[in-house]
Amino acid sequence: QSVLTQPPSLSAAPGQKVTISCSGSSSNFRHGYVSWYQQLPGTAPKLLIYENDKRPSGIPDRFSGSKSGTSATLAITGLQTGDEADYYCGTWDYSLSAGVVFGGGTKLTVL
Amino acid sequence: QVQLVESGGGLVKPGGSLRLSCAGSGFSLSDYYMTWIRQAPGKGLEWISYISTSSSTIYYADSVKGRFTISRDNAKNSLYLQMNSLRADDTAVYYCAREVLFGMVSFDSWGQGTLVTVSS
Repeated sequence: QSVLTQPPSLSAAPGQKVTISCSGSSSNFRHGYVSWYQQLPGTAPKLLIYENDKRPSGIPDRFSGSKSGTSATLAITGLQTGDEADYYCGTWDYSLSAGVVFGGGTKLTVL
Repeated sequence: QVQLVESGGGLVKPGGSLRLSCAGSGFSLSDYYMTWIRQAPGKGLEWISYISTSSSTIYYADSVKGRFTISRDNAKNSLYLQMNSLRADDTAVYYCAREVLFGMVSFDSWGQGTLVTVSS
């Protein structure tokens, strides 16, 4: 059971927009920034979004992030077949067992 | 270019020990907070441990507390994970990753991972 809750899977057609939700709690989201990672099959995760809505250099603006209260959202517009991957949200948890927490991951299928 | 390379994975019996290494190149490890994250076969990401730039602050996930020890040698640009009392559920690909600011979970560079298999 992950501390952060994501939908296990989503699917959409090429060119469409998809949003992936990530739900947390007051011990993490209220105080921390959210990051998003993309993991293509057989590869290490890659940072997509940090500090809720910032993109590292090289990440196209088709990817955007937002956070409100105890939830966050990753939006991907103009879906491409190369976007088919697992997506994870992550943040710092300030509970007694402080540390990094991740969502369970969302498998995105581009039909 | 920036690179992190893990090593030390392999097959180990339950109750055994293993030491993972993560060698950084193309940057100074001393400028970064470092972390270990693992991924069991077919499962999601699980954070394991986190160490500050000077090793003064260390965090562990409850699942490995008391069994795993994270350390770093900035002079060697390397990060380590000593894993003792290994169990079958420790079987996973282990990744090291870096971030420049504490607690932001903005890991901008990851290694390729090293597989640890715990089995008799």
